[in-house]
Amino acid sequence: NAGVTQTPKFRILKIGQSMTLQCTQDMNHNYMYWYRQDPGMGLKLIYYSVGAGITDKGEVPNGYNVSRSTTEDFPLRLELAAPSQTSVYFCASSPSGLSEQYFGPGTRLTVT
Amino acid sequence: DQQVKQNSPSLSVQEGRISILNCDYTNSMFDYFLWYKKYPAEGPTFLISISSIKDKNEDGRFTVFLNKSAKHLSLHIVPSQPGDSAVYFCAANGQNFVFGPGTRLSVLP
Repeated sequence: NAGVTQTPKFRILKIGQSMTLQCTQDMNHNYMYWYRQDPGMGLKLIYYSVGAGITDKGEVPNGYNVSRSTTEDFPLRLELAAPSQTSVYFCASSPSGLSEQYFGPGTRLTVT
Repeated sequence: DQQVKQNSPSLSVQEGRISILNCDYTNSMFDYFLWYKKYPAEGPTFLISISSIKDKNEDGRFTVFLNKSAKHLSLHIVPSQPGDSAVYFCAANGQNFVFGPGTRLSVLP
């Protein structure tokens, strides 16, 4: 049981480039989330999904897109990367919206 | 405007003593609270939770206290161990969970 896995672990992007952060969970959880964490700040919710085919915006969705075609996968797409998107990105899953979340190890992204 | 605040960015405690981490929230509609622990280069891991119908929840060395009238919760770790050194996040549920900025705990041997 791998839990929540994220790839890549690290990435450096040039301004204007695009990339997809991958997230997979093997716990059959309906709920999945993407957060970003900036230094000295808490986790900010980017997007979330309550099941395959259903996604919704969180607190900071601008500059990002998501899709949820399967229960297991919840990729996060960055279009036209900007320095403000330099952050650590965490994917998480949970069996319900009111239960604790299980986090992946994170992706450290630098945009220069 | 931070809905969940952890006003101490860091805390140092001697091994074997009690660690007390504090968290304040502004939204009286929050009714479920969690604490997460995070080591460097890892994702947060769930530690303990409390529902607003309780004022205390205990799990081994970890106890969370909730004071709804003061909109305040605290995490007590007794006795503290060097392996407890990590960043601790408080989270509260609104439409989605809202996280505080974290407190870095250092337990000194």
